[in-house]
Amino acid sequence: DVKVTQSSRYLVKRTGEKVFLECVQDMDHENMFWYRQDPGLGLRLIYFSYDVKMKEKGDIPEGYSVSREKKERFSLILESASTNQTSMYLCASSLFRPMNTEAFFGQGTRLTVV
Amino acid sequence: AQKITQTQPGMFVQEKEAVTLDCTYDTSDQSYGLFWYKQPSSGEMIFLIYQGSYDEQNATEGRYSLNFQKARKSANLVISASQLGDSAMYFCAMREGGTGANSKLTFGKGITLSVRP
Repeated sequence: DVKVTQSSRYLVKRTGEKVFLECVQDMDHENMFWYRQDPGLGLRLIYFSYDVKMKEKGDIPEGYSVSREKKERFSLILESASTNQTSMYLCASSLFRPMNTEAFFGQGTRLTVV
Repeated sequence: AQKITQTQPGMFVQEKEAVTLDCTYDTSDQSYGLFWYKQPSSGEMIFLIYQGSYDEQNATEGRYSLNFQKARKSANLVISASQLGDSAMYFCAMREGGTGANSKLTFGKGITLSVRP
């Protein structure tokens, strides 16, 4: 059974804290993605990675960074958490080829910054 | 500019009837793929159907079909014989081709579908 696992289901952090969200996949996928989901805004891509140590900015990278030191693990880092980063964070992974393979999602991390 | 546009705020359908969920997209790539996902209230993301830009036939998967109109850049999802369990948020997504650096997966804002008994 394919799996994308996010380290936490719920997180509460204080403003200014450095926050790490971890994502691990066991499918040997090249691509990994971080999205945030907010009501009325859908899923917005923060960063994605298509290979180890490779990363590309998505549509809303400001305030975030990522790390991919191993193929199976993709970390999202909030350098200094702010209240406007309160959101649901979704990690996903997919094969690079063929094009028609779907992305698999983790269960999501609901982050609250107080 | 938005890559994926889903403008229907919310849709209602009677059980056993068909419903169409709209999606338009914007890309200059010749090679791209379009996906639909379902997100029930539990929050999981469930893949439904895929359409490739070079596919000549509209994709079908059980009760789901995709009305692909390439010239109009639209990829509408059709759900036939709606069931109560179809009540969920539906997302259209696009993956553009090219190099690894370009192979991101972009989603629309989603459409809420409610099936009435």
